[in-house]
Amino acid sequence: KAGVTQTPRYLIKTRGQQVTLSCSPISGHRSVSWYQQTPGQGLQFLFEYFSETQRNKGNFPGRFSGRQFSNSRSEMNVSTLELGDSALYLCASSASLSRLPGPLHFGNGTRLTVT
Amino acid sequence: AQKITQTQPGMFVQEKEAVTLDCTYDTSDQSYGLFWYKQPSSGEMIFLIYQGSYDEQNATEGRYSLNFQKARKSANLVISASQLGDSAMYFCAMREDPMDSNYQLIWGAGTKLIIKP
Repeated sequence: KAGVTQTPRYLIKTRGQQVTLSCSPISGHRSVSWYQQTPGQGLQFLFEYFSETQRNKGNFPGRFSGRQFSNSRSEMNVSTLELGDSALYLCASSASLSRLPGPLHFGNGTRLTVT
Repeated sequence: AQKITQTQPGMFVQEKEAVTLDCTYDTSDQSYGLFWYKQPSSGEMIFLIYQGSYDEQNATEGRYSLNFQKARKSANLVISASQLGDSAMYFCAMREDPMDSNYQLIWGAGTKLIIKP
């Protein structure tokens, strides 16, 4: 079974630009979540989607948005990039449909550098 | 208040020795999951082991085992017979009851483990 695939692997953007990151979950997984990882703040939750609906959102400004398609693939978008948005962005998918939380499986991440 | 505490920012361990990475957590939910992930310098977050709050036995996966002490709210990771390839950051994480509409993983700050040859 193929793992979680994130593209691109690396991105360099300029302040003020926007960026779109893509994530393909493990086949059959309907839940996709996004995390931002920085040396200063550690791992922070961005949002989670299930069946094309955003179920939960972290404490990030509105410049950060996402969506999920009918095939469970997800994209996240960051508009008006700031230097502080430089980070490793991790996408994770989960098959857990029951009440008990199950493991999340992560992709390799997209490393975004804003100059 | 921090929900996941990893008190060891870094550890040096001799190859082939066992190592215990500490993790304590805080939740009022009855249903929750505890996870350990490994992150090598390449950045990928690798799932290692999972313990559900209702699991009575400690989880084991190969050389990894989770020492789950529910009353103490402790979920330490034990790596037996450490290898050079175990050098990485290790994160403890918790996922609370999704019925509270909280689907996110809550992360500890991580422990940087270095295995010495």
